[in-house]
Amino acid sequence: EAGVTQSPTHLIKTRGQQVTLRCSPISGHTSVYWYQQALGLGLQFLLWYDEGEERNRGNFPPRFSGRQFPNYSSELNVNALELEDSALYLCASSSDRRTENFGDGTRLSIL
Amino acid sequence: AQSVTQLDSQVPVFEEAPVELRCNYSSSVSVYLFWYVQYPNQGLQLLLKYLSGSTLVKSINGFEAEFNKSQTSFHLRKPSVHISDTAEYFCAVRMILTGGGNKLTFGTGTQLKVEL
Repeated sequence: EAGVTQSPTHLIKTRGQQVTLRCSPISGHTSVYWYQQALGLGLQFLLWYDEGEERNRGNFPPRFSGRQFPNYSSELNVNALELEDSALYLCASSSDRRTENFGDGTRLSIL
Repeated sequence: AQSVTQLDSQVPVFEEAPVELRCNYSSSVSVYLFWYVQYPNQGLQLLLKYLSGSTLVKSINGFEAEFNKSQTSFHLRKPSVHISDTAEYFCAVRMILTGGGNKLTFGTGTQLKVEL
């Protein structure tokens, strides 16, 4: 069984640009979660999507957004990139809303 | 709201020695409890979880954790560590709410360094 896959693995952007990160959940999982792991800030919850709807949102500005597609894959969009957005962005999926399986993340560097 | 405290940011230990990584939590409602491990340049791997039933849970690679409700703790233990256990370990909780799916709240992590 394939795990959670994320693309790209690495990304370099400059301030003010926009970025889209992608996540494919484990087959059969309908929930997708996004987390940010920034140096010194730990793992912070960003967004939760389930059955195509945004169910919960962390304490992040509106320039962080996303969506979930009918096949349950998901995108995370970040507009107007700032230096502090440099982080590892982790996607996780769940079939039971209790246990999450994580991907290897996308490392975003802002210059 | 919930919070997780991992008091030890780093734990050095010699190979084949026992280790305990501490995790305490606070929550206004019942919780599910998790330990995740992160190797360098990788994502998080689920090590073990407590959802219900026996308060002692075990992983396939020798780790175990015990849910102690009165002390609100979920400490991770291994009787004999191996070099390959060197990694960062995160404790996490999820509040049990109607409809489920509430976010995971993570501790700040404990870096386990196993030395020869």
